[in-house]
Amino acid sequence: AQSVAQPEDQVNVAEGNPLTVKCTYSVSGNPYLFWYVQYPNRGLQFLLKYITGDNLVKGSYGFEAEFNKSQTSFHLKKPSALVSDSALYFCAVRDMKSGGGADGLTFGKGTHLIIQP
Amino acid sequence: DGGITQSPKYLFRKEGQNVTLSCEQNLNHDAMYWYRQDPGQGLRLIYYSQIVNDFQKGDIAEGYSVSREKKESFPLTVTSAQKNPTAFYLCASSEQVTTGELFFGEGSRLTVL
Repeated sequence: AQSVAQPEDQVNVAEGNPLTVKCTYSVSGNPYLFWYVQYPNRGLQFLLKYITGDNLVKGSYGFEAEFNKSQTSFHLKKPSALVSDSALYFCAVRDMKSGGGADGLTFGKGTHLIIQP
Repeated sequence: DGGITQSPKYLFRKEGQNVTLSCEQNLNHDAMYWYRQDPGQGLRLIYYSQIVNDFQKGDIAEGYSVSREKKESFPLTVTSAQKNPTAFYLCASSEQVTTGELFFGEGSRLTVL
C-alpha cells in the first residue's frame, strides 16, 4: 500500500526567508509525486510533480521540490517566502507498480504554512 | 474557460436523507475522482472512474455511491448509510490516469443537521 507522511502540522517562516515543507513517502513500485496548495474553502491547486528525470523539479509561484530516492523524500522549497504563500500544502503519491496499473492518488494530511511579515 | 464545476457550494441535510453532489468537467479528461476532506485528516479517496460506465471504490466508499454515464459528469450520492457525512467534498479529474496531475473543483461543504 502507498502512503505519504507530512511530519509537521504547521511551519512558521519569516517573510523573505527560505522555506521547506517536508514530505516522505512509501510505495512498492516507482513513485509519482505531487505537491498541491489549498486556500481556505477552496479546491486544491497543482504546484509541481516528479515523474522521472531530474531530481530537482520547478513549479508554480517559485516553488521547487527535490526528489531523494534513498531517503524516500520529496520536500517542497522556496528560496524567499511571501506572506501570500500562507496556505495549506499537500504532498501526494501515486504508486506505479512494476506490473502496470496505478491506484488513486494518496495524499498526506497537509501542512499549514504561515509566513509572518 | 475549461475547468471543473461542483454544485452546490454549501448543502444542509437532515439525518436520514440522501443527497447528491454534482461534478461536471469540460476538460475532456477520462479519469474523475471524489475525495473527502476532514480537518487534520487530509484527503481520502471515495470513488474514482477511469472511463465512462466504470468506477472503482476508494478507501472510504461505504455509504456513498456514484455513476459515470457521461464523460463530463461524475455525481456523488451521500446516502443515509454514511454515519458521519459532514465534510468538505472535492471532485477532481485528470487527463492521464498514471502521470497526470489532478485538477480540482472548488468543493462542496455538506453539513448534516
